Amino acid sequence: DAGITQSPRHKVTETGTPVTLRCHQTENHRYMYWYRQDPGHGLRLIHYSYGVKDTDKGEVSDGYSVSRSKTEDFLLTLESATSSQTSVYFCAIRSGTSFNEQYFGPGTRLTVT
Amino acid sequence: AQKVTQAQTEISVVEKEDVTLDCVYETRDTTYYLFWYKQPPSGELVFLIRRNSFDEQNEISGRYSWNFQKSTSSFNFTITASQVVDSAVYFCALNKDGQNFVFGPGTRLSVLP
Repeated sequence: DAGITQSPRHKVTETGTPVTLRCHQTENHRYMYWYRQDPGHGLRLIHYSYGVKDTDKGEVSDGYSVSRSKTEDFLLTLESATSSQTSVYFCAIRSGTSFNEQYFGPGTRLTVT
Repeated sequence: AQKVTQAQTEISVVEKEDVTLDCVYETRDTTYYLFWYKQPPSGELVFLIRRNSFDEQNEISGRYSWNFQKSTSSFNFTITASQVVDSAVYFCALNKDGQNFVFGPGTRLSVLP
């Protein structure tokens, strides 16, 4: 258990509305990540953070923004949700004996109607 | 560019059969790390193993074993005497620095009683 929680766990929203997903960790990990999971694509990196207020884009960052104002929280915002953003979103932290493993939160299932 | 291929989209076996999940990767890096994750029907992502590129020893953990062959760029996963609880989607992943994970599309394994 990497001490990661995500909220909400499920959300249905309408096209055009803003949505914020929260990732919370309790073990002071410096690196945090947001992925989306879609059938046939595995997981794809949206954004990541390497410290408070330090973030960078991943492979599929268009339409998403992130913020990290404190170590324990990493927020993912969809400014104006679209149906193509219907997905399962996973947060992850970086850890492990060689500091190159990633451990995942329970996921958030987002449906945009 | 890095890439992970899992050619088997779905596999179905009967309980107690052995099953091998294939993973083929592409990378130009000489140092890299390979991973397997399990995603059971409950949806969470469970870390199974990490293998370093400079360690080609096979690994066994209970009914699970992994065969890493740099010559064929493969990192295959075998479950011996499969059980219903092994039913899940299995993802192979690659990264070079703990940061930029590349996931394969996953293989859905169904173990029938």
